[in-house]
Amino acid sequence: EDKVVQSPLSLVVHEGDTVTLNCSYEVTNFRSLLWYKQEKKAPTFLFMLTSSGIEKKSGRLSSILDKKELFSILNITATQTGDSAIYLCAVFYSGGGADGLTFGKGTHLIIQP
Amino acid sequence: EAGVAQSPRYKIIEKRQSVAFWCNPISGHATLYWYQQILGQGPKLLIQFQNNGVVDDSQLPKDRFSAERLKGVDSTLKIQPAKLEDSAVYLCASSLGTGATYNEQFFGPGTRLTVL
Repeated sequence: EDKVVQSPLSLVVHEGDTVTLNCSYEVTNFRSLLWYKQEKKAPTFLFMLTSSGIEKKSGRLSSILDKKELFSILNITATQTGDSAIYLCAVFYSGGGADGLTFGKGTHLIIQP
Repeated sequence: EAGVAQSPRYKIIEKRQSVAFWCNPISGHATLYWYQQILGQGPKLLIQFQNNGVVDDSQLPKDRFSAERLKGVDSTLKIQPAKLEDSAVYLCASSLGTGATYNEQFFGPGTRLTVL
């Protein structure tokens, strides 16, 4: 059975800290891995990773994929209270007549002032 | 560009009652998805439409859940009768299409259902 496992499930840090969120996966017909940020509404897209070892960066957020170890990390540096959210990892699969996203449970990140 | 619209935003019902949710995708998006997100979990795909045809409904509890997209645009998701464990946020998403290359899914604001 396909699975996406995120850790930790929750994390509380202080403003200015750096955090690393983890995502491991076992998904048949893997095509790419995506990270989303979810506040009290719909998930919003952050990154899509398709190739191993190539870091994607957007401001204070960065992410990298290891397709050999089936693993991805999302780093946030100099955290701010506005970074408080649930961060979802999802794997896009395609093959065997089906395609779609399989999500992990998310990491609930709380940034304290 | 208008986003994915959903209504209602909140719904509270008693178990064994029926409920329906509505979704209007982004104009021109052929693919529409319904997800169920239970508190503390990631979204789980219930059903995927390509135009007005069902592509994947393998995780839809068909004894109580139904969905349609008759004209290939708007979609409705119905639960009849509801159970306590159906309490969740129901997210609708749409994308231009499907295939081996990911087409970005745009999510609506969701409908939060509470079953008492």
